[in-house]
Amino acid sequence: DIQMTQSPSSLSASIGDRVTITCQASQDISDHLNWYQQKPGKAPKLLMYDASKLDSGVPLRFSGTGSGTDFTFTINSLQPEDIATYFCHQCDSPPFTFGRGTKVDLK
Amino acid sequence: EVQLLESGGGLAQPGGSLRLSCAASGFTFSNYAMSWVRQTPGRGLEWVSSISGNGATIYYADSVKGRFTISRENSKNTLYLQMNSLRAEDAAVYYCAKDFGITRISVKGDFDSWGLGTLLTVSS
Repeated sequence: DIQMTQSPSSLSASIGDRVTITCQASQDISDHLNWYQQKPGKAPKLLMYDASKLDSGVPLRFSGTGSGTDFTFTINSLQPEDIATYFCHQCDSPPFTFGRGTKVDLK
Repeated sequence: EVQLLESGGGLAQPGGSLRLSCAASGFTFSNYAMSWVRQTPGRGLEWVSSISGNGATIYYADSVKGRFTISRENSKNTLYLQMNSLRAEDAAVYYCAKDFGITRISVKGDFDSWGLGTLLTVSS
């Protein structure tokens, strides 16, 4: 199985800060990586697909880079509505696996 | 607008059975692979099973293989998960999720839409 190592597990940031989350796959997954945002009691929401493509309607302050095994997700200028948990997810091959999540809160 | 609505969760006994359903609307259901993903505070998000749009391609996580059965009824726009021999570790919120692109005969697993989830509790 492909393991997804996501870090950090949590972070505190101020409004306007740049936030960076990383995800490392245990083997090459090309760009078959998605990033999701989840708020308490809600379903995950797709933000990025194919590692670097913004889903429709997602603000441009969100971005993603990477290919192969190392991926980065960035929120440029954190907004109050971005307080949530973020997950990476590999869809290269089943069993599809997820990172453990990064909880972003306000400093 | 894509809508996915799970139902069928509740309390089940260890060793018992339960069937989850996911009613889909807002897209051509038979064109897309569908999946079940579960979530617990301790284990996070865990993929359970996927089925292609035509139902011919199916995958299971090792943890549920032989106990759970995924199926779909395209005429009713509904996805199912039959869960047998339930264990305490199966307790979770179960989400159904839709593949991003058209996947009639395959499964991509790149979920772009999720339901609200249904809670399964396993306890005697």
